[in-house]
Formats: sequence, C-alpha cells, structure tokens
Amino acid sequence: GAVVSQHPSRVICKSGTSVKIECRSLDFQATTMFWYRQFPKKSLMLMATSNEGSKATYEQGVEKDKFLINHASLTLSTLTVTSAHPEDSSFYICSAHWGAENTDTQYFGPGTRLTVL
Amino acid sequence: LAKTTQPISMDSYEGQEVNITCSHNNIATNDYITWYQQFPSQGPRFIIQGYKTKVTNEVASLFIPADRKSSTLSLPRVSLSDTAVYYCLVGARDDKIIFGKGTRLHILP
Repeated sequence: GAVVSQHPSRVICKSGTSVKIECRSLDFQATTMFWYRQFPKKSLMLMATSNEGSKATYEQGVEKDKFLINHASLTLSTLTVTSAHPEDSSFYICSAHWGAENTDTQYFGPGTRLTVL
Repeated sequence: LAKTTQPISMDSYEGQEVNITCSHNNIATNDYITWYQQFPSQGPRFIIQGYKTKVTNEVASLFIPADRKSSTLSLPRVSLSDTAVYYCLVGARDDKIIFGKGTRLHILP
C-alpha cells in the first residue's frame, strides 16, 4: 500500500517564528497532495491543495501568506507556518492521492503536532 | 461534493459485528464511497472503498444499495482496538476530501 510520511512528528516553537512541515510520498509519486488541520475532538479541515509545479489552491478562509505551501517534486510537499501564534497550535495532516487498480484514493500521513508558545 | 450524514457516536461490545450507516442522498454518478478510520493523534487510515453492491477486504465489508444513497460499513467481531472515529466520504477518487464529523465508535469489554 501507499505510505505517506511527515516530518517532524511534533514541534514546539516560540510565537513569531516560522515552522516547516514536510510531507513525503515514500513509494509512489503524487502530483497532488492535500493539507489539513485538526483541532482536538474535531474533524479534519482541508486547508489547501498542493499541486506539483504550480501554486497551491487554498480553501476559503485560509491565509495563503501565512501557510506557505511548496510542492517542488512529485514526492515532497512542504507547509510553512509563518510567524506562528498560539492559535496556530494544531495537528497538521497531509495526504497524497494514489491511484491503483483496486484502490484509487488518498493516503494520509501520521500528522504533525504543532505547539506554539 | 456530496454531503454525508452518519451517527455521531456508537457503542458496541467486543466480539460483536458493528454496522455504521452513512447517508449521501446527492451522490453523483462518478462518486465513490470511501471509509477511513482515525485514532487519536494519528492520520486517517484507509479502510475500504466501493462504488456499488458489496465490497469486502480483510478488515471490513461495505454494502451499497442500488440507489447508492446510503452505504453501510460492517466491522466483523470488533475488539477494543477498533475504538476510533470512522469517516464516510463521498466524491470522485482524485478530488479533494471534505470531512464530515464522523462516527465515534466506542468498543466496550
């Protein structure tokens, strides 16, 4: 099956600093990856669609200048939270689309826990 | 993107079969039905996907009636480790996913 990794798994930073989160598809190529955030006891909320070689598509209400997305290769997308503040503390999850004969769906990374002090 | 409705929570006991039903009245012709499982502080895990009738794999079965306006995820002989949130998603397979609230399944000993 398809494997998606994220790094780091957890990060603590000071308010005002920037944090980069990596999402990798380990055994397949993904032209499209997605970024979500999830608050405790809530569902996943789609933030943006990351397209390899082009600009990301952000969902309504998500600040593109605050959440910078780069999809420079077919196996790597990065999310940078710029000038992080405590309200940005959340669980960030990425996914990548993988198409195969029996299943054609999105596979999710393990998530990154961001805590902003 | 078709909206889905599923129970907020369910309780069951170890060894029982659990069926979680999802309603998706406005499912489109090219939409598939996909179920994911999520444990706390982990990313969602793919369980099963189907288009019509019945699909079975090593962990679950998915039943889809002819009108496709609903689907039922069946988990055979659940254990405590099946306690998780289960999400029913409907959409084109390469499209973005909009998550609903999911069903919080609690397995009791």
